[in-house]
Amino acid sequence: NAGVTQTPKFRILKIGQSMTLQCAQDMNHNYMYWYRQDPGMGLKLIYYSVGAGITDKGEVPNGYNVSRSTTEDFPLRLELAAPSQTSVYFCASSPPGQGYGNTIYFGEGSWLTVV
Amino acid sequence: DQQVKQNSPSLSVQEGRISILNCDYTNSMFDYFLWYKKYPAEGPTFLISISSIKDKNEDGRFTVFLNKSAKHLSLHIVPSQPGDSAVYFCAATVPSGTYKYIFGTGTRLKVLA
Repeated sequence: NAGVTQTPKFRILKIGQSMTLQCAQDMNHNYMYWYRQDPGMGLKLIYYSVGAGITDKGEVPNGYNVSRSTTEDFPLRLELAAPSQTSVYFCASSPPGQGYGNTIYFGEGSWLTVV
Repeated sequence: DQQVKQNSPSLSVQEGRISILNCDYTNSMFDYFLWYKKYPAEGPTFLISISSIKDKNEDGRFTVFLNKSAKHLSLHIVPSQPGDSAVYFCAATVPSGTYKYIFGTGTRLKVLA
């Protein structure tokens, strides 16, 4: 019962490097999300996708890119890493069309430090 | 612009007593609200939700109250248990819209044994 799986769990990146955070879900959910959590700042939405081939910006998209080539996968790309991107990143998914009663399922998080 | 606000960053409660966590929102388009619980080094997990057509929803020890006119919701935990110690996030969305879930800043609850 995997749910939402994120890799890597921990990563240290040097300023200017690039990397991709992987996210996969096996629940056949159409909707997928990337959030970041900074201390005292709660969860901020970076990007989301309503289905394969469709992505849109959230609250804090700058410095990130996403793609959604399949229903299962939603990778988050960091280009030219900056110390401000040091954070915990959460991938999440939710099923479509259920309206009230719907919920969003999170992965366990990826801890990223940029030095 | 913080559309969902949790003004209390932390709360300590004695075991067995009631915990009340508060959340305010500014966007009147939100019509579905959720509470999530997060333990350290884990992802948030769903706790309870409420739609705007209701003003109360109960699930065991957890009750969520919604006051639409005040744009305010609260989570009551009765009785509080040490295992409830976690960070609690409220979230809001528009189910008929873009399915974006907007989260608050969280409240760290500590239940003292």
